[in-house]
Amino acid sequence: TQLLEQSPQFLSIQEGENLTVYCNSSSVFSSLQWYRQEPGEGPVLLVTVVTGGEVKKLKRLTFQFGDARKDSSLHITAAQPGDTGLYLCAGVGTGTASKLTFGTGTRLQVTL
Amino acid sequence: NAGVTQTPKFQVLKTGQSMTLQCAQDMNHEYMSWYRQDPGMGLRLIHYSVGAGITDQGEVPNGYNVSRSTTEDFPLRLLSAAPSQTSVYFCASSYHRGRPDTQYFGPGTRLTVL
Repeated sequence: TQLLEQSPQFLSIQEGENLTVYCNSSSVFSSLQWYRQEPGEGPVLLVTVVTGGEVKKLKRLTFQFGDARKDSSLHITAAQPGDTGLYLCAGVGTGTASKLTFGTGTRLQVTL
Repeated sequence: NAGVTQTPKFQVLKTGQSMTLQCAQDMNHEYMSWYRQDPGMGLRLIHYSVGAGITDQGEVPNGYNVSRSTTEDFPLRLLSAAPSQTSVYFCASSYHRGRPDTQYFGPGTRLTVL
């Protein structure tokens, strides 16, 4: 079974601060996805990174895929209350099934 | 498009009861899957389907059955509910299998087994 560990598990910061969330595994994934989940809703895809070392930016969010495709990070610059939510990384397996292995999640709260 | 819909939104069962969680998508997606979400454990794959008539087990399939008679529908059946099945259940679909495609999630079903 492929496991994805996220850290930190919880993060409470003030508006304007920067933060980084880590997603680590001992397994190699063909690609990695990041989702954000609001209370009472399903996860929504933010980004997919495919190539080892790839960096993608989505406004104030920067996503990086590790060179060995075993880990990833999400960096948020100048966090805002609207960034509050549960952030989940998900590794995409190889093969035709394209199964996702989800990380344990990082719950972020941004206060004014 | 309604996207991925799930019913019911909430459900309370007694131990030993059976029930079916409904999932439907109107995007003509090939790939559909069921996850359960428990605190501190992310989402765990229960069963998945790569097309009508084809299903397979995920990480935690015990106690659950699925079928895929149409492209649109992918119901999840609990045969004899147990307190360990108390969880939030999410159905998801995506267009392509074998590619890192966008998975679209339903709003979830919160199940409590007493």
